[in-house]
Amino acid sequence: AQSVTQPDIHITVSEGASLELRCNYSYGATPYLFWYVQSPGQGLQLLLKYFSGDTLVQGIKGFEAEFKRSQSSFNLRKPSVHWSDAAEYFCAVGNNDMRFGAGTRLTVKP
Amino acid sequence: GAVVSQHPSWVICKSGTSVKIECRSLDFQATTMFWYRQFPKQSLMLMATSNEGSKATYEQGVEKDKFLINHASLTLSTLTVTSAHPEDSSFYICSAREGRGTYNEQFFGPGTRLTVL
Repeated sequence: AQSVTQPDIHITVSEGASLELRCNYSYGATPYLFWYVQSPGQGLQLLLKYFSGDTLVQGIKGFEAEFKRSQSSFNLRKPSVHWSDAAEYFCAVGNNDMRFGAGTRLTVKP
Repeated sequence: GAVVSQHPSWVICKSGTSVKIECRSLDFQATTMFWYRQFPKQSLMLMATSNEGSKATYEQGVEKDKFLINHASLTLSTLTVTSAHPEDSSFYICSAREGRGTYNEQFFGPGTRLTVL
């Protein structure tokens, strides 16, 4: 069965610092991988997705993620975090029966 | 971009009553719609998948008689929580996808917060 693990429940970074959110997945075939962001009281917004092809995926808001099959990982990165990036981030796998990770809450210090 | 709306955005009801939540795709035809449940500070859990005109497919552990899903048109799906109890209080989120292809993106609604007293 497919599953997603986000090891970090909560991360705090300073504004302007780089960010990496970890995601590991378990999937029997070629995974469809996603990163979503959820702000308080808001719906999910897709940051980026990987279906196939180039393993480095560019997304919105300056985010990128790299698919590493050998490590079963799809970590999300941003070189310089802005205060507005504070939110909950979810990694997900699959598209017919999407499974979400537990989420990582990002706090940005001024 | 594709927009999915949910109504109501929040609802409070008494224990034992039924509540209907609507999910609409505003600018595309949603062949497939999904319903998720999110507990506070937790992840989204897929409850069921519905294809227009077909019966919904429920995930293991989700009571189909309690969570009634109807997807009668290409732009509307409804989730009815029957005989709601306090443990049904949660954030319910729908998503919609155009077509049945797995490459098609799911677009998520803003969610409905249900509180059962």
